[in-house]
Amino acid sequence: DIVITQDELSNPVTSGESVSISCRSSKSLLYKDGKTYLNWFLQRPGQSPQLLIYLMSTRASGVSDRFSGSGSGTDFTLEISRVKAEDVGVYYCQQLVEYPFTFGSGTKLEIK
Amino acid sequence: EVQLVESGGGLVQPGGSLKLSCAASGFTFSSYGMSWVRQTPDKRLELVATINSNGGSTYYPDSVKGRFTISRDNAKNTLYLQMSSLKSEDTAMYYCARVTTDYWGQGTTLTVSS
Repeated sequence: DIVITQDELSNPVTSGESVSISCRSSKSLLYKDGKTYLNWFLQRPGQSPQLLIYLMSTRASGVSDRFSGSGSGTDFTLEISRVKAEDVGVYYCQQLVEYPFTFGSGTKLEIK
Repeated sequence: EVQLVESGGGLVQPGGSLKLSCAASGFTFSSYGMSWVRQTPDKRLELVATINSNGGSTYYPDSVKGRFTISRDNAKNTLYLQMSSLKSEDTAMYYCARVTTDYWGQGTTLTVSS
């Protein structure tokens, strides 16, 4: 199975600042069609995961442009600009290039 | 508006069985592959079953293969997960989601304990 690794954030973030969340894959998520099959989710407390980014860098419908995704075949970054209180929660990445579609363990975002 | 509403969770003894349901609305259910994803108490997410749009193809990881069965009724816009030989490690919140995981339900909780 593809292993997805996410690090913890070292410190809470101040509102208005920017933050980068990293995700690494044990195998390239670049498929033969030229697309990179990585999703980013936010799970707010008490809610189900909400899709933020798909295909590594495409924002899902209704998602703020403060969220952006980037990366290579195995290393990925979710950037959140001008962090707000509503961004608090756990961020997960997920690969969809081969079964089983696996998730990272999550990165918790806290606001100071 | 896409809606996925799970039901059927509960408390089951080890070795027991349970069937979850997921009622779908707001999209053409029969056109989408569907999945069940669980979130364990330590908040880890695991895909446990996937079925294609017409029900002809399914996928299970080794952790549940032979114990879980995913099915669907496209006439009723409903997805199912039959679970048997349940173990304590199956305790989790179970979500149904479209196979691309762009939409998720609110989940239903399964607790396996004596």
